[in-house]
Amino acid sequence: DTEVTQTPKHLVMGMTNKKSLKCEQHMGHRAMYWYKQKAKKPPELMFVYSYEKLSINESVPSRFSPECPNSSLLNLHLHALQPEDSALYLCASSQAGTTPYSNQPQHFGDGTRLSIL
Amino acid sequence: AQKVTQAQTEISVVEKEDVTLDCVYETRDTTYYLFWYKQPPSGELVFLIRRNSFDEQNEISGRYSWNFQKSTSSFNFTITASQVVDSAVYFCALNHRTDKLIFGTGTRLQVFP
Repeated sequence: DTEVTQTPKHLVMGMTNKKSLKCEQHMGHRAMYWYKQKAKKPPELMFVYSYEKLSINESVPSRFSPECPNSSLLNLHLHALQPEDSALYLCASSQAGTTPYSNQPQHFGDGTRLSIL
Repeated sequence: AQKVTQAQTEISVVEKEDVTLDCVYETRDTTYYLFWYKQPPSGELVFLIRRNSFDEQNEISGRYSWNFQKSTSSFNFTITASQVVDSAVYFCALNHRTDKLIFGTGTRLQVFP
């Protein structure tokens, strides 16, 4: 079992739906990440939160909206997605470093497999 | 620019064979961190090892070993006496002064009984 919990594990939604992906960790990590992974490709970073503040947005379309309500939770709100957004969405967390960035290992959840109809 | 190259797209071996996964990286900085992750079919990425640029000691953990050579910018991963449970995609990654991991394209390892 991983220490980063993602729900739901699978999600099928239409292009007009609004849904949210959730991620939770209780390791005391203060850096949290969202990644998108297409089949047979490496994960692509989407967002980074450090101490509950958005520190990196990799030019992600506004139909993806991240939220970090507290140090243990990370959400990804989805609205008006396109078929090409179908992918595995991975959440990760790490200890925030003493420098402005974290060089600590990232710990990943099992992911949410998202299908857009 | 930072880059990680995993030239081996797919490797197939028979159980108990040794296998080495290659990783070559590019960075201009002197301080950086290298990682290996395993992604089984279930999807989660499992952290295996972190190595910083100042520590060139090789490491062994059970059947796993890592060979870090700064002179050739390589951080290779060897599995000794492979098992079917080792079947997965393995990613090498570089972290360089940001919160962003630079992943290689991954090597799919299939171990047949």
